[in-house]
Amino acid sequence: DTAVSQTPKYLVTQMGNDKSIKCEQNLGHDTMYWYKQDSKKFLKIMFSYNNKELIINETVPNRFSPKSPDKAHLNLHINSLELGDSAVYFCASRPLSGQETQYFGPGTRLLVL
Amino acid sequence: AQSVSQHNHHVILSEAASLELGCNYSYGGTVNLFWYVQYPGQHLQLLLKYFSGDPLVKGIKGFEAEFIKSKFSFNLRKPSVQWSDTAEYFCAVNGNNNDMRFGAGTRLTVKP
Repeated sequence: DTAVSQTPKYLVTQMGNDKSIKCEQNLGHDTMYWYKQDSKKFLKIMFSYNNKELIINETVPNRFSPKSPDKAHLNLHINSLELGDSAVYFCASRPLSGQETQYFGPGTRLLVL
Repeated sequence: AQSVSQHNHHVILSEAASLELGCNYSYGGTVNLFWYVQYPGQHLQLLLKYFSGDPLVKGIKGFEAEFIKSKFSFNLRKPSVQWSDTAEYFCAVNGNNNDMRFGAGTRLTVKP
């Protein structure tokens, strides 16, 4: 059973398009995250959602908007895609408190042409 | 704000060589420390973690890391690397604000 899943696994699209990446976790965790890994493998946190509230919002363009329909899902919507958005996007989840680690999804490889 | 530094961007070793990857962090409070590995084409996996207790922690696949509080370091080690250890290694720090920060990663290439 996959704990944290992401769809799609690969996404190739044209500049200017709007796309969404979905993330689901079946661990009952309270907090979910989106990370961006660029071509140099550097991981950067983008958003964190705790019980449907945004608690971390790094300096990412407002073209990126996280949407959480319920505690188990955190989707990432991207408007007006740009070449620089090409990266691997990782979803992760963890319990609200305690010393639990984050569990990562398999990643979504986005390529903007 | 907390930050994580990984000093080695790319490390190239021959099989059976010993490995040590450096990780330093800056954070004033209590931290939890992690090493993650990303094999080519795969997602991040947890290698090991430190929360409290024995500062020398052992992880999967023969990896270990030592937390040295006075040096704000959490270096990753393995006595004898294998070709299959070729991957990207990320150090991460989680402070009590629930914010996880990753280092820039170290690419390890093990030559057969």
